[in-house]
Amino acid sequence: EEQVVESGGGLVQPGGSLRLSCAASGFTFNTCWMTWVRQAPGKGLEWVANIRYDGSEEFYVDSVKGRFTISRDNAKNSLYLQMNSLRAEDTAVYYCVRDHGYGNFDPWGQGTLVTVSS
Amino acid sequence: QSALTQPASVSGSPGQSITISCTGTSSDVGSYNFVSWYQQHPGKAPKLMIYEVSKRPSGVSNRFSGSKSGNTATLTISGLQAEDEADYYCCSYAGHSIYVFGIGTKVTVL
Repeated sequence: EEQVVESGGGLVQPGGSLRLSCAASGFTFNTCWMTWVRQAPGKGLEWVANIRYDGSEEFYVDSVKGRFTISRDNAKNSLYLQMNSLRAEDTAVYYCVRDHGYGNFDPWGQGTLVTVSS
Repeated sequence: QSALTQPASVSGSPGQSITISCTGTSSDVGSYNFVSWYQQHPGKAPKLMIYEVSKRPSGVSNRFSGSKSGNTATLTISGLQAEDEADYYCCSYAGHSIYVFGIGTKVTVL
């Protein structure tokens, strides 16, 4: 069964940093694009970033460019999201998802909650 | 990277058919046949229901179907059931490996 499990969320002060992790299993991780999607409390889904299967290309939504970095370790079947200079508006549940291609996002993990507050 | 436009809410009685629209621009929905739809029940992770405009993943009921015309994609749920009550989001490829989601539609089964 294909599965992804996120971890690393928590409470952080504005301006702080946090690193999210995602452990993948049940599929050939090193052949898959991976994506982070977030959902602010009571709000809709927002695509955040993705990374090519070999880590050679990364893409970001404008609101996180220069602050967030997506990365992966194919030897560990793991995806990461380094979040710096966090703002209140970054408060959300962050989901790790496999991209089968062109927005075919599946499976989704249970998400990890990031709260940015003083 | 503006969110795609969806109606805030749609409702229907059991057994009826409903449609949810997803309107983008010529830079996203209108340019690519890469629109997907996700169902999300409260407190749960989203679930892929439709991809590449009209394709259904294995295990998704054939009561769910998708289509597209111009800058607008549409999700149709036929034979509405109580379990279909959820939030629904569309998503479109927007070029250069970027994606954009819709604002979401709450479906209520009367």
